[in-house]
Amino acid sequence: NAGVTQTPKFQVLKTGQSMTLQCAQDMNHEYMSWYRQDPGMGLRLIHYSVGAGITDQGEVPNGYNVSRSTTEDFPLRLLSAAPSQTSVYFCASREGLAGVSYNEQFFGPGTRLTVL
Amino acid sequence: AQSVTQLDSQVPVFEEAPVELRCNYSSSVSVYLFWYVQYPNQGLQLLLKYLSGSTLVESINGFEAEFNKSQTSFHLRKPSVHISDTAEYFCAVSKNYGGSQGNLIFGKGTKLSVKP
Repeated sequence: NAGVTQTPKFQVLKTGQSMTLQCAQDMNHEYMSWYRQDPGMGLRLIHYSVGAGITDQGEVPNGYNVSRSTTEDFPLRLLSAAPSQTSVYFCASREGLAGVSYNEQFFGPGTRLTVL
Repeated sequence: AQSVTQLDSQVPVFEEAPVELRCNYSSSVSVYLFWYVQYPNQGLQLLLKYLSGSTLVESINGFEAEFNKSQTSFHLRKPSVHISDTAEYFCAVSKNYGGSQGNLIFGKGTKLSVKP
């Protein structure tokens, strides 16, 4: 049981480039989410999904796209990277849907992204 | 809307000393409360959570937190810290019903540094 995995661990992009951060979980969790962590800002929710085919915006969605074609995978796409997107990105998953929001969220190890 | 305030960004303490990490929250609806810990270069792990019932909750490694509804606080305490407790600690809330239920709102984090 690998839990939540993220690839790559590190990435450097130039302004305007695009890329996809990968996230996968093998716990059959319905709920998945993406956060960004910036120094002194805590974690802020970018997008989340409550199941395959269902996604919604979080607190800071601009500049990011997501899709959820399977229960296991929840990729995050940067269409045109900007220096303001330099951050550490965490994917997380949780068992159950909205009715069990007290369940623990399991976090991946993170992707450290630098945009030059 | 919900918000979380962690009053101290950094807390330095000596080994075997007691520590308290403060967390206050604001919400117009009922919430669940969480403390997550992030060790260096890792993802977040759940430390403990308050859902209902007894206002004092404990973790397996000696931390405890007390929910105080009148003061809207959920402070984290440990009577005697170890070097291995050095980490960043995040307080978080989630709504327990309604729209965006289950999304975590994080505080900005408190870096606990335990010195020998």
